[in-house]
Formats: sequence, structure tokens, C-alpha cells
Amino acid sequence: GENVEQHPSTLSVQEGDSAVIKCTYSDSASNYFPWYKQELGKRPQLIIDIRSNVGEKKDQRIAVTLNKTAKHFSLHITETQPEDSAVYFCAASMTSYDKVIFGPGTSLSVIP
Amino acid sequence: DAGVIQSPRHEVTEMGQEVTLRCKPISGHDYLFWYRQTMMRGLELLIYFNNNVPIDDSGMPEDRFSAKMPNASFSTLKIQPSEPRDSAVYFCASSNRVAGENEQFFGPGTRLTVL
Repeated sequence: GENVEQHPSTLSVQEGDSAVIKCTYSDSASNYFPWYKQELGKRPQLIIDIRSNVGEKKDQRIAVTLNKTAKHFSLHITETQPEDSAVYFCAASMTSYDKVIFGPGTSLSVIP
Repeated sequence: DAGVIQSPRHEVTEMGQEVTLRCKPISGHDYLFWYRQTMMRGLELLIYFNNNVPIDDSGMPEDRFSAKMPNASFSTLKIQPSEPRDSAVYFCASSNRVAGENEQFFGPGTRLTVL
């Protein structure tokens, strides 16, 4: 089955710097890659997603890139702010509506 | 819409007791997922339903765990008997395939503590 790895497990950045989280997946049939943000004590919420027919997608300060050949995808957050502090999960699924396999998460701390 | 509703929000019970967690998905959503979150194991998919039918329960850890979805607006996750290692936050999520949407909407979670 699908396996998703995520690095780093923890990340600290200064406010205003960029943060990059990287993920790899194992099943070449996966074609949908969402990213969820979970603030402390809250529920995970989708922040951005990308499909396999697209190499990059951007939404304001957040961007995701996908390299299907290498089975890598990444989350980039620019101009980080304290409210970006949270755990970020990458995920992969074989179809848009199949079960989603989550990575182990990255705890991001943005230091004011 | 009120979003995905879960109850109870917190549950403290003693080992050996039966625990029932409840979930009401967003109206009109046709997929429902149950997840368990712990520090050690992260976010694990336990089981998911499509149109009230269980599709994949391979994540259910043991026979002590069971889930049902008797109708489109209600699902339960039952643990009988409960054990301390079942302590975790249990999330329910729903999504709307019919509308062509992929996002899973999570409920607030139930924090379960088994003493």
C-alpha cells in the first residue's frame, strides 16, 4: 500500500523567513496530494492540494510543487508569520476520493 | 452548515468499559472517515464509508473496534472492551464526492482517555 514520508519532523524559523517541508510517496499510482494544517488542540484543515497533472500550485504565501518522476512533493511557505505555527501533514491518495494516507507531520514553529 | 459534529468531546473511562463515539457528517456528504491520532503513530485511518457502506476497514486495529453507519447522517465507533493504549484523539471526517470535491472536513475530535 501507499506510504508517505515527511521531513523534517520539526522546523523552527524566524518570522519573515521561508519554510519548506518535503514529502515522498511510494505508490506511483497516487495522483492527489493534499496538505493539512493542524493548530494546537484543533482539527486538521486543508490548506492546499495538488493533482498529478500539475507541477506547481500557489495560493498567496503558500505553494506546493510535485515531481512525479521522483515521487516527491513539497510545501513552501514564504514570509512566515507566528500564526503559521502548527503541525503540517502531507498526504497522498490513489484517486481523488479514495482513502488518504497521511505523512507523520511536521511541527513548524515561527519565532517572532 | 454546522460542520462535522462529534460527541462526546472528551471521554474518560476505565479499562474494560465500552466506549461509543458518535459522528454526524456534513449534510449531503457521501464519504465518512474515522481517524485516530496519537503522538507515536500520527494520524491513522481506521475505516471509511461510502454511502453508508464500509469500504475499507483495514486500519481497524483489533476486533475490539467496530464502526457502523446506519444512515447518511450518523456513524458510531465503538471500542469494547477499552484498554489504556486506546487513549487518543479520534476524528471523524466527511467529504462530498458527488459535488466533485476532494477536501475532507474534520470534526473537532473526541479525546479519549482510558485509565
